[in-house]
Amino acid sequence: QKEVEQDPGPLSVPEGAIVSLNCTYSNSAFQYFMWYRQYSRKGPELLMYTYSSGNKEDGRFTAQVDKSSKYISLFIRDSQPSDSATYLCAMRPTSNTGKLIFGQGTTLQVKP
Amino acid sequence: KAGVTQTPRYLIKTRGQQVTLSCSPISGHRSVSWYQQTPGQGLQFLFEYFSETQRNKGNFPGRFSGRQFSNSRSEMNVSTLELGDSALYLCASRRGPTGELFFGEGSRLTVL
Repeated sequence: QKEVEQDPGPLSVPEGAIVSLNCTYSNSAFQYFMWYRQYSRKGPELLMYTYSSGNKEDGRFTAQVDKSSKYISLFIRDSQPSDSATYLCAMRPTSNTGKLIFGQGTTLQVKP
Repeated sequence: KAGVTQTPRYLIKTRGQQVTLSCSPISGHRSVSWYQQTPGQGLQFLFEYFSETQRNKGNFPGRFSGRQFSNSRSEMNVSTLELGDSALYLCASRRGPTGELFFGEGSRLTVL
């Protein structure tokens, strides 16, 4: 069983929809949680970076962490065709390591 | 501000050959991490360097090695290439021993 589970999709939504992307994890030591966006043939781009439980909002993006359930989410409001990409969750137990554990990634398509 | 630069972007090798990939981190960043991305396994951590010292190593065979220079630039080498080494190799940098990772565009290696 993988340490981080993420539904690979693909997920297809109409433009303007609210998108919910999720990851579950098994290692209770994880404290730092990230969401990356990866366009085809590009490197991952950091979207959100959160510590411990709670919510963080940045424009149309909201990240939620529920450590009690070992569950993290990324919400995208008013989705745009330019949001079509693969979204990767990642996490690590401390900030003092470059070793991230990634989910498999969810492929999102936003249709005009 | 320039991002993480990886060279070459694309390369084709044959089984048994060796390959060296290069990574120039964001200016001022001293930590470099390397990842392998494949469709089947996703993103997997290879190793991390900080101030020319390897701080962490993933679960890869000894054919995979790396180093970091005094200017923080890093190289990774794969010897005796196998078909399964075909992947996107990603480099990520961060300013110090803590903080977010910023990825480059990757080097896409095809082994024939």
